[in-house]
Amino acid sequence: NAGVTQTPKFQVLKTGQSMTLQCAQDMNHNSMYWYRQDPGMGLRLIYYSASEGTTDKGEVPNGYNVSRLNKREFSLRLESAAPSQTSVYFCASSEFGRETDTQYFGPGTRLTVL
Amino acid sequence: KQEVTQIPAALSVPEGENLVLNCSFTDSAIYNLQWFRQDPGKGLTSLLLIQSSQREQTSGRLNASLDKSSGRSTLYIAASQPGDSATYLCAVSGTQGGSEKLVFGKGTKLTVNP
Repeated sequence: NAGVTQTPKFQVLKTGQSMTLQCAQDMNHNSMYWYRQDPGMGLRLIYYSASEGTTDKGEVPNGYNVSRLNKREFSLRLESAAPSQTSVYFCASSEFGRETDTQYFGPGTRLTVL
Repeated sequence: KQEVTQIPAALSVPEGENLVLNCSFTDSAIYNLQWFRQDPGKGLTSLLLIQSSQREQTSGRLNASLDKSSGRSTLYIAASQPGDSATYLCAVSGTQGGSEKLVFGKGTKLTVNP
């Protein structure tokens, strides 16, 4: 039982390049989330998916797209990377979004955009 | 807009000391409040979740309290150990934004010295 896994762990991009961050969970959770963590800013929600087939914007969605491929997988795509997207990206999942449901986090992807 | 503040930003204590971390939030309409731990270069680990109708939760040496009306929570750590050294994050989910949307504080970095 691996929990929430993310690939890659590290990535360096040049401005304008595109890439997809992958996330998978093996806990049969319905809800999945993408956050970014920046020094001095804390964690901020980018997008979330309350259930398979649905996605919704969080606090900072500009410059990103997401795909809920199936119940297990939720990907985050940067179409044209910018230096402002240099950050640590975390994927998380929860059984649902009920008040009793905690979120489980992956180990993160450290992205640098030059 | 919900804002979460954690004080102090950093705390250094000798081993064995009891300590309190503080979290405050501006909108009392919350589903729950969660405390997480983050080790350097790692993801977040859930410590305690307090539902809006609850006053406190306990797990081992950790006790978290919630006073929704005043917008405050505390995390009490008893008999601190060097292994407790980490960043502690407080997060709330709000009824307006949906229970999925966690708003995080910037964290308190705790160092427990042997």
